[in-house]
Amino acid sequence: AQSVTQPDIHITVSEGASLELRCNYSYGATPYLFWYVQSPGQGLQLLLKYFSGDTLVQGIKGFEAEFKRSQSSFNLRKPSVHWSDAAEYFCAVGAKNTGNQFYFGTGTSLTVIP
Amino acid sequence: EPEVTQTPSHQVTQMGQEVILRCVPISNHLYFYWYRQILGQKVEFLVSFYNNEISEKSEIFDDQFSVERPDGSNFTLKIRSTKLEDSAMYFCASGAGGLNEQFFGPGTRLTVL
Repeated sequence: AQSVTQPDIHITVSEGASLELRCNYSYGATPYLFWYVQSPGQGLQLLLKYFSGDTLVQGIKGFEAEFKRSQSSFNLRKPSVHWSDAAEYFCAVGAKNTGNQFYFGTGTSLTVIP
Repeated sequence: EPEVTQTPSHQVTQMGQEVILRCVPISNHLYFYWYRQILGQKVEFLVSFYNNEISEKSEIFDDQFSVERPDGSNFTLKIRSTKLEDSAMYFCASGAGGLNEQFFGPGTRLTVL
């Protein structure tokens, strides 16, 4: 069955500290992986995506993620968190072909303390 | 930058009423989707739409739901007889084709009383 697991429901970090949000997936075909961010009252904004090639992908706002096939993981990282990064983060997996649904994780809520 | 828009941002309705949620996808996109997010839960797929027909739907998308692209720009989700459990945030998304990349709108929060 296709699924995405985000083990951390809520993470709190200090501003300036590093961040890693975990994502594990189960997918029957070649996975295409995404991280979205949702600020309060806002929609889902794409942070970054992995389709193929270099397993370390760079995204917007200084985020990066690393695809590890052997661990079925696609963890999101940021070296130095800013207060504006406080939001809900969702990992998603989909198939290659457009028209196929995305499977989302339950999300990780990030709080940034001064 | 082109974006997906949705109206209304918040809809309140009485149980049993029909609601129509509206979306304007990105103009050159060909694939359209609806997802929902019940408060505190994950985002769930409802339906995908291509070439004027449903291409995939989930178990959630039962007979009370329907989708339509009434003209060249809008994409709508109709819920015929709303239930309390339909209260959720509904997201529209669109994709251009080729690699599966979906662009999401800001969502419509539906509250069923």
